[in-house]
Amino acid sequence: KAGVTQTPRYLIKTRGQQVTLSCSPISGHRSVSWYQQTPGQGLQFLFEYFSETQRNKGNFPGRFSGRQFSNSRSEMNVSTLELGDSALYLCASSLAGGGARRETQYFGPGTRLLVL
Amino acid sequence: AQSVAQPEDQVNVAEGNPLTVKCTYSVSGNPYLFWYVQYPNRGLQFLLKYITGDNLVKGSYGFEAEFNKSQTSFHLKKPSALVSDSALYFCAVSSNKLTFGGGTRVLVKP
Repeated sequence: KAGVTQTPRYLIKTRGQQVTLSCSPISGHRSVSWYQQTPGQGLQFLFEYFSETQRNKGNFPGRFSGRQFSNSRSEMNVSTLELGDSALYLCASSLAGGGARRETQYFGPGTRLLVL
Repeated sequence: AQSVAQPEDQVNVAEGNPLTVKCTYSVSGNPYLFWYVQYPNRGLQFLLKYITGDNLVKGSYGFEAEFNKSQTSFHLKKPSALVSDSALYFCAVSSNKLTFGGGTRVLVKP
C-alpha cells in the first residue's frame, strides 16, 4: 500500500505571497492532519479534516486554512506569507482519527517551505 | 491540557551499547502514547505505541518502550544501538490530536 504523499517537496516563496500544499493519504484513510515543524517551536498541530469537514484546529492564525476533498485528499493554504512561516509542513493520515485516540497517524515526507 | 517532555536534547551512545530515550507525559484520563523517528529530510516514521495492556511495548527495528504509570513515563529503549539508529526521536501523546515532545537527537558512534 502506498504511503502518504505530499507535493511539492520544496517551495520557495516571498513574503506576501500565498501557497497551497497538497497531501494524499493512505488509501482507505479518511482523516488527514497537518503539522508545522520548526526548529524553534517543534511540531505543532495545525488542523485535522475528516469526511471533508474540519474536525479540530490548532492555535494558528486565520491565514492558515485547509480543505479536504471527497477522495480524502487534502490541501492546506497559507496566505500573506511571513518569514516565520518557513517550516516543514507535515501531513498525516489515519483511518478515522480525531476522537479515535488509539489510532496511529502515518506521516508523509513533508513539504519544506522557505519564505524569503 | 496534555503535554510531553523529553528532557534530553541529545543522547550519545556507542554502537552496540543500550540506548534509552526518555519521555514523561501529563494527560488527564488514560494515556495513549507514541514514539516516532525522523531521519534527515524525511517525515516521521511510526515506531510503537502504548494503548493498554502490557507495560512493555515492542515496536519496529528492535525498539521497545516501557510504560510506567506511577512515574508518568514512556521511555524508548533498544538493547544494542546501531549507527543507523542516529536520528531525531519524538514522543507524543494522543487526544484529538498528537502533542509532541521537543525531540531527542540520538547519535550512535561506531
